[in-house]
Amino acid sequence: ETGVTQTPRHLVMGMTNKKSLKCEQHLGHNAMYWYKQSAKKPLELMFVYSLEERVENNSVPSRFSPECPNSSHLFLHLHTLQPEDSALYLCASSHQAHLGGTGELFFGEGSRLTVL
Amino acid sequence: DAKTTQPNSMESNEEEPVHLPCNHSTISGTDYIHWYRQLPSQGPEYVIHGLTSNVNNRMASLAIAEDRKSSTLILHRATLRDAAVYYCILGRIGGGSEKLVFGKGTKLTVNP
Repeated sequence: ETGVTQTPRHLVMGMTNKKSLKCEQHLGHNAMYWYKQSAKKPLELMFVYSLEERVENNSVPSRFSPECPNSSHLFLHLHTLQPEDSALYLCASSHQAHLGGTGELFFGEGSRLTVL
Repeated sequence: DAKTTQPNSMESNEEEPVHLPCNHSTISGTDYIHWYRQLPSQGPEYVIHGLTSNVNNRMASLAIAEDRKSSTLILHRATLRDAAVYYCILGRIGGGSEKLVFGKGTKLTVNP
């Protein structure tokens, strides 16, 4: 139990579908992150939210839309995805060091997405 | 972002020590050295981090070269559960949103 829970664990969707990935953390952290892990590629940072404000967006296509309604929840809304978007999507949280924390990242187990 | 260089893979035998090297010749004075590992079918997990001095915790030890251009993660007695991909990452704690850039890491195989 890492304290970071992701749902669903597996998702299969067509290119015209709209779906969402959900992440929840119960660690009292003030920052949340989305990473993408494709086969045989390093983890790629997608988005960072600090105190519920988006502070990082690493040139991610607009078909991925993050939402952070509060410090405990993070969503990744998906629409009109492409087969190359199939990957493991990992959520992480941290208590940022400049706000008194250690900065250590805590990851969820990921949502395995397959786009047909 | 300062980069790190790690071997693609290493092998070890169970109950023997493992030394995982990392080179980071372009490290800056404010970069911390972080180690994470990712077990099969799981998200990465924090292992250890340090700035200048060697660090120990319940999982591992981190030995940092005097010039900080390289470091070594030491697992004192490898177990089968330690088989994972180990990532050495440079990051600046305290600079705002911590943006840790993961590389390809070292895949550690532990033989029984």
